[in-house]
Order: sequence, then C-alpha cells, then structure tokens
Amino acid sequence: GQQLNQSPQSMFIQEGEDVSMNCTSSSIFNTWLWYKQEPGEGPVLLIALYKAGELTSNGRLTAQFGITRKDSFLNISASIPSDVGIYFCAGQKDGSGNTGKLIFGQGTTLQVKP
Amino acid sequence: NAGVTQTPKFQVLKTGQSMTLQCAQDMNHEYMSWYRQDPGMGLRLIHYSVGAGITDQGEVPNGYNVSRSTTEDFPLRLLSAAPSQTSVYFCASKTLVGNTEAFFGQGTRLTVV
Repeated sequence: GQQLNQSPQSMFIQEGEDVSMNCTSSSIFNTWLWYKQEPGEGPVLLIALYKAGELTSNGRLTAQFGITRKDSFLNISASIPSDVGIYFCAGQKDGSGNTGKLIFGQGTTLQVKP
Repeated sequence: NAGVTQTPKFQVLKTGQSMTLQCAQDMNHEYMSWYRQDPGMGLRLIHYSVGAGITDQGEVPNGYNVSRSTTEDFPLRLLSAAPSQTSVYFCASKTLVGNTEAFFGQGTRLTVV
C-alpha cells in the first residue's frame, strides 16, 4: 500500500538543539498533518496544513506544506526533554474531507538528552 | 469528554482464536477507521467507514472484518487470529465536514501466540 516516506527514522539530540524532519510522496496530497505519539498513547495532532506553500507555527513547532504538494517538513526549535516521542506525518488526498482517509509516514522517533 | 474509547487495552490470544476490538466515539463523527502500528511501519489503515452501514478496505484489510451499525461504534473483528496480527491497534474518528483532525483512541496492544 502507499505510504509516505518519512525521514529520519530516529534522532538522538541534546536538549536545546533544533530538530528537522520531513515527509515526501510520489503523489499529491491536499492536506498534510503532523502528529506526535507518546508512549502508551494514541497520536495527537500538532499542526494541520491545508494549502500548498503554507507555513504554520504552534509554539516551538513550525511546519510547511511543500509547493509541489508532495512533501512537508516539521521543525522543532530549542528542544526540551518533553519533546520525546514518535512524530508522524500524514497526508490526505481529498481536500474536502469526503473520504477522510489518512496515509501515514513511518514515523520519526525523537530522543532528547538533558 | 470521552472522545474515542478503545477496549480492551491489552489482549493475548492463541492462534486461531477470534475476538472483537471495540471502538466507540461520542463526537458524532461520520468517519471512523482502524489502523495497526508496527515498528518501522508507521500506521497502516485496515478498514474505514464514512457512515453507518458503509465500510471500505484500507491498505491491510486481510484477516479483519468490520461493521458499522451505528454512528458511535466501529468494532474490528479477528475471525482466526494469527501471530502476524500481533500489533498495536488504533481507532480514529473525524468529521467529514470541513478540514478537521482525526482523533485517536489510546490503542489496543494485541499479542497472538
């Protein structure tokens, strides 16, 4: 089945460092979403992107919807220990949401050393 | 404010046994879906539904059945469990009106021995 290619697969960084991860696809998506999953929990939405070129921030998190609509990136600035978790990108092809199907990337596992 | 509720949280099955994973949402969402999460594979869509009485297959539907008799409930059935179905299962729901996020349950960790 189709999946998004998410990289890197894992990151181990020092507290205070900036983090960048991205997702690419061979096909176009009309919506890009970034989720975070903490141990024992379901994914929780961080940022939603609905227009090509859109740049959206949520606190220390910034995400962009690629111009080609085939990619997206997420940046985390000045990482802190509570940023630890698995980050997933997700794409939805139907911008109107009529089907609601989300396709997920493989996830980026982030570990932050205090 | 319950959101999406999954039961059970943990389950161990023997090969060949059957069971149903329950999912309920109280947000009147039209869309409900089931994913399985395996290491390095992300979340893969098993089945989804856009409303009561309507279901469709996702990326990895084999070995699983679903039904949607009410808006609130979307159970996932394993008719004859196999070790390959050992995974963490997540249910998610969203409204189909406008651009909205999908809400996830806390997951069911299933082990088939």
